[in-house]
Amino acid sequence: KNQVEQSPQSLIILEGKNCTLQCNYTVSPFSNLRWYKQDTGRGPVSLTIMTFSENTKSNGRYTATLDADTKQSSLHITASQLSDSASYICVVRGDAGNNRKLIWGLGTSLAVNP
Amino acid sequence: GAVVSQHPSWVICKSGTSVKIECRSLDFQATTMFWYRQFPKQSLMLMATSNEGSKATYEQGVEKDKFLINHASLTLSTLTVTSAHPEDSSFYICSARAYGSSNQPQHFGDGTRLSIL
Repeated sequence: KNQVEQSPQSLIILEGKNCTLQCNYTVSPFSNLRWYKQDTGRGPVSLTIMTFSENTKSNGRYTATLDADTKQSSLHITASQLSDSASYICVVRGDAGNNRKLIWGLGTSLAVNP
Repeated sequence: GAVVSQHPSWVICKSGTSVKIECRSLDFQATTMFWYRQFPKQSLMLMATSNEGSKATYEQGVEKDKFLINHASLTLSTLTVTSAHPEDSSFYICSARAYGSSNQPQHFGDGTRLSIL
């Protein structure tokens, strides 16, 4: 069972609409949680990094939330644009020993249609 | 800022060939660089972590003699896939992190698509 699970697996929305992507994780202890955007055939680009004590962080039209108690995070995209079409990946970093590496989710594939 | 350049972006070669991929941090010094492999519709899989001036640390199941990593300077790491076979065909991505907290983001290159015929 993957320690970082994302939903939905894929999503199609119309340009201008909002959407929310979910991430549940079981990684413990926990250091930080990251959201990356990966365009097809490109490397991931960091959107947000949140530590244990942060509940929300924004980066332009992207707003990430984190509930460390329930081990859930969400990424909200406002007023979507065609260029938002990409895979959005939730990544959690553990905080002890061999668990210090990044644990990658499988991503949510978002398609924004005109 | 924080640009990572990866070269080449696409390689097609015959089975048995060795292929070298370069990863450069253009505007910062990367004390740590990471090499990942990504298969279609799968998440990134960490292959190895390299620190400048020391031997790379490989993840379990990754053959160090097949995937040679050199991190000779603070701005350059190379991955050489030796005697490549079709099963090595994949998307290889490097990332770099500047000196500091592990909470610092990794900055990724744009990947190298390797196709072995």
